[in-house]
Amino acid sequence: DTVLTQSPALAVSPGERVTISCRASESVSTGMHWYQQKPGQQPKLLIYGASNLESGVPARFSGSGSGTDFTLTIDPVEADDTATYFCQQSWNDPYTFGAGTKLELK
Amino acid sequence: EVQLVETGGGLVQPGRSLKLSCVASGFTFNNYWMSWTRQAPGKGLEWVASITNSGGSTYYPDSVKGRFTISRDNAQNTLYLQMNSLRSEDTATYYCTREEGAHDYWGQGVMVTVSS
Repeated sequence: DTVLTQSPALAVSPGERVTISCRASESVSTGMHWYQQKPGQQPKLLIYGASNLESGVPARFSGSGSGTDFTLTIDPVEADDTATYFCQQSWNDPYTFGAGTKLELK
Repeated sequence: EVQLVETGGGLVQPGRSLKLSCVASGFTFNNYWMSWTRQAPGKGLEWVASITNSGGSTYYPDSVKGRFTISRDNAQNTLYLQMNSLRSEDTATYYCTREEGAHDYWGQGVMVTVSS
């Protein structure tokens, strides 16, 4: 299975730029997607196909990468962005998710 | 507005069965693949099953293959997950999702607890 590795947690101040990384154990081309999950809520799609912004998602969010290394960037970070962010690949069978990066605001 | 509403969760003993349902609205159901994804308490996300828009093909990870069956009724805009031989490690919130590679819409989720 394709293992997706994310750093477990980050803490940033509002107004700063934050990058959240996801590294795949094998190439997933651009079949990488990013989700935001707030406590008690279902996940929400932010970025699909590595770099495409989902409709309705603020332009502060962006994604980049291909192959094995991917990044979700939030610039600038706002207080409402406190959440856990998951990457997910749909290139290799089975689909897999990263363990999530918990973003906290200082 | 796209809506996905799951039902059928609850407490079940190990080895028993449970069937989840998901009623979809706000989009043309038979145009989309659909999936189930689960999340154990305090844990990450795990893809459980996918089904093509016609229902002709289904896909599962090894962790549930042979025990879970995904199906759909396009006339009723409903997705199902039949779960047999349940184990304690199947305890999770189960989400119904619309799938286009990415899971672009998620239901609120339904809790399944496997315990004696």
